[in-house]
Amino acid sequence: GAGVSQSPRYKVAKRGQDVALRCDPISGHVSLFWYQQALGQGPEFLTYFQNEAQLDKSGLPSDRFFAERPEGSVSTLKIQRTQQEDSAVYLCASSLVGRWENSPLHFGNGTRLTVT
Amino acid sequence: GQQVMQIPQYQHVQEGEDFTTYCNSSTTLSNIQWYKQRPGGHPVFLIQLVKSGEVKKQKRLTFQFGEAKKNSSLHITATQTTDVGTYFCEAGTALIFGKGTTLSVSS
Repeated sequence: GAGVSQSPRYKVAKRGQDVALRCDPISGHVSLFWYQQALGQGPEFLTYFQNEAQLDKSGLPSDRFFAERPEGSVSTLKIQRTQQEDSAVYLCASSLVGRWENSPLHFGNGTRLTVT
Repeated sequence: GQQVMQIPQYQHVQEGEDFTTYCNSSTTLSNIQWYKQRPGGHPVFLIQLVKSGEVKKQKRLTFQFGEAKKNSSLHITATQTTDVGTYFCEAGTALIFGKGTTLSVSS
């Protein structure tokens, strides 16, 4: 596709449920990033992939958060045993080259997660 | 750790007035990016600044990178209602975003 695609657009989960959020980056983009954006805040970095390698997961808030990109394209962010504080918009972004080459980030529309 | 501070947090202007948002880092940056997020939308890349003292223009938008590469600004001349949104700076390799400046414009 022409842009970064994320699904679902909205997700409501009961506390304690597991959720999986999908990101389909721009074809050929090497780098993929996940961000968490709370209401009225800037995006906060969660994790970074270069192709299939997860090179940085320093932003993942707890071991309930897990991300993968097994074939270097589509990525999934999984949150286990969701808590209310996990409610946020989860943004995926991709860029053409590696992180340290500083190409612009192209964001998807995000998944709005609400934990009740 | 590295922090990126943006001021002001909110700004309301009358259409036609100018607007400036500032981004300040606690450490020297290799580069800085600016993004715009419309209400309900996602961040969209505007510009990248790399060189000390760099100034770039996009129509009514002027972007500056400080000489010490620790601060940056975005200035909009003669705002329009289409400029409404939140403007974020991002410290490139650190992937750190500021909290953003939300601009509202009344006609």
